[in-house]
Amino acid sequence: EAQVTQNPRYLITVTGKKLTVTCSQNMNHEYMSWYRQDPGLGLRQIYYSMNVEVTDKGDVPEGYKVSRKEKRNFPLILESPSPNQTSLYFCASSPRASGNNEQFFGPGTRLTVL
Amino acid sequence: AQRVTQPEKLLSVFKGAPVELKCNYSYSGSPELFWYVQYSRQRLQLLLRHISRESIKGFTADLNKGETSFHLKKPFAQEEDSAMYYCALSRNFNKFYFGSGTKLNVKP
Repeated sequence: EAQVTQNPRYLITVTGKKLTVTCSQNMNHEYMSWYRQDPGLGLRQIYYSMNVEVTDKGDVPEGYKVSRKEKRNFPLILESPSPNQTSLYFCASSPRASGNNEQFFGPGTRLTVL
Repeated sequence: AQRVTQPEKLLSVFKGAPVELKCNYSYSGSPELFWYVQYSRQRLQLLLRHISRESIKGFTADLNKGETSFHLKKPFAQEEDSAMYYCALSRNFNKFYFGSGTKLNVKP
C-alpha cells in the first residue's frame, strides 16, 4: 500500500534527551516535509526537502534537524528536546511531478517532552 | 509575510444547508491554494486545489485575488462532511502555510 509511515506514533521523553522521529514513504516522491500541529495554530512547517541531500527551513525550524540521505526517508531529529516542542508532528510527501503538489500525510507522532 | 486565516474555529450547520468555510490569505505573489480535510480517525488529505478548478465531493472553492480569499463552499451539506478543514497556501511549491483549521459539524 502506498503510504507515509512515521515511528514512533507516541513518545514521552525528558528534556535534553536526543530523539529521532522517522518518516518513510514508498511512493518514490521527491518532496518531503515535516509539520507540527498545535492547538489554535494549525500546521506549521518545520523543514522540507526537495530531493536527496536538499533540505531547507520552513517556518519553525529552531530546535530541529533533518537529513535526506535516501529518497524514501526523512528523519526529524531533536538534539535537545524542550517542553515547548511537545506537539503533534506530521510528515508528508509529494511527487512534485508535472505540477502535482498534493501532499500525502503520515499518521502523526504525538510527542510529549517533560 | 505569508499568512492564512480561517476565522471560524467551529461551524455547525444542519444537513442539507449550504456551507461556506472562509479562508483569507496574505501573499505578495501568485499563490497556490489548497483545501485539506481530516475526517475522524483518518489522515489529513487533499480535498481540492485552486489550480485544478475541480469539484470534489460537491465542494468548490474560488480564488478571489481582489479579496485575497479562497472560501470553500458546498450547496447542501451532508453528515459525512463533518471533519476538520484546513486552508493552505504554497509558496514556490516548497513552503506551505496552513490556517488554524475550521471544524465543520453537520447535524442531522
